[in-house]
Amino acid sequence: EAGVTQFPSHSVIEKGQTVTLRCDPISGHDNLYWYRRVMGKEIKFLLHFVKESKQDESGMPNNRFLAERTGGTYSTLKVQPAELEDSGVYFCASSQGRVGQETQYFGPGTRLLVL
Amino acid sequence: AQRVTQPEKLLSVFKGAPVELKCNYSYSGSPELFWYVQYSRQRLQLLLRHISRESIKGFTADLNKGETSFHLKKPFAQEEDSAMYYCALRTSGTYKYIFGTGTRLKVLA
Repeated sequence: EAGVTQFPSHSVIEKGQTVTLRCDPISGHDNLYWYRRVMGKEIKFLLHFVKESKQDESGMPNNRFLAERTGGTYSTLKVQPAELEDSGVYFCASSQGRVGQETQYFGPGTRLLVL
Repeated sequence: AQRVTQPEKLLSVFKGAPVELKCNYSYSGSPELFWYVQYSRQRLQLLLRHISRESIKGFTADLNKGETSFHLKKPFAQEEDSAMYYCALRTSGTYKYIFGTGTRLKVLA
């Protein structure tokens, strides 16, 4: 079974540009999560989709970040315009099942560098 | 606010020595605690969760609510245990993880 996949694996952009990250969850997983690790800090939750609906977006840092999951399959996370502090590794995870009973499976991450 | 603290950024031990990776949390309710591991060039993967009370790859972790700790232990470290280890907390009724900053374990030959 294919795991969670993320594209691209790396992205280098200039401040002010736009970047779109993509995540394909494990097939059949209704829950999809985005997390971010900024250098030297902990992995932080960004948001959680259940199918196509945003269940919890309490971790989104500001309105420069836009996440979508049209059709409840893959998800995109757009950063527009990108700032230097957005650099880090963006992880996607997916799971299936009720809260407390499911396991989150992580993708390999997208390394974003904003210059 | 809920928080997970992993006080050691780097822990180096010799092969065959015991290992203890520390994790403390702050949460007044009933927590779910997890250990995730990331081996070199691999993705983050679940190592164990406290409700399972199982041993994976020789590792165990016991939830101590009095000390608000969930330390990861292994009696005899192996070189293949070298990796980044993250402790994570989930508060009751929520899906999101609250991670610690991670501890890099290096097992020396």
